[in-house]
Amino acid sequence: AQTVTQSQPEMSVQEAETVTLSCTYDTSENNYYLFWYKQPPSRQMILVIRQEAYKQQNATENRFSVNFQKAAKSFSLKISDSQLGDTAMYFCAFMKNTDKLIFGTGTRLQVFP
Amino acid sequence: GAGVSQSPRYKVAKRGQDVALRCDPISGHVSLFWYQQALGQGPEFLTYFQNEAQLDKSGLPSDRFFAERPEGSVSTLKIQRTQQEDSAVYLCASSLGPGTEETQYFGPGTRLLVL
Repeated sequence: AQTVTQSQPEMSVQEAETVTLSCTYDTSENNYYLFWYKQPPSRQMILVIRQEAYKQQNATENRFSVNFQKAAKSFSLKISDSQLGDTAMYFCAFMKNTDKLIFGTGTRLQVFP
Repeated sequence: GAGVSQSPRYKVAKRGQDVALRCDPISGHVSLFWYQQALGQGPEFLTYFQNEAQLDKSGLPSDRFFAERPEGSVSTLKIQRTQQEDSAVYLCASSLGPGTEETQYFGPGTRLLVL
């Protein structure tokens, strides 16, 4: 069975600084997808970034980028130029094929002015 | 529609009552998922539909939980004889489906409180 581990329950960063959230996963699959979702206090889960395992190039979306290390089964999220609106719970998630998402326990990120 | 919608947003039930939670997926999305999110935890999978077919219900915690999607669009999650441990946020997500865009888009959730 696949598992997703987020070892940082809480993180904080000052506005305009850079922060990295960690995620590791365990799977015997070769083809799969990885996601970072953001869940603000309003609780609407919003996709931040996705990565296909067969792609070697790390995904980027504006201020958000990932460091995908397939052999190490690591998928960290880097947020550059942090903004107050980035304050939220961040969930790392794994999916094989078009199956269900398996989530980690989340990292609560607080951005301070 | 513009996004996944869920209703009601909040539901308070007395222990033993039956509840029904509704999900309207994004128009044209083939796949629909239900997740349960306990306080302070990540969402956990409940069940999955492809059109009207329920292909996976392995996450349903007991036979008190039942889901349907009779016309391949709107879905209802029903919980019979609710218990306090059913208190959680129930999230619905939809995606275009197999062989297309795999990303799941989430609704705002229904927060269920069982007293």
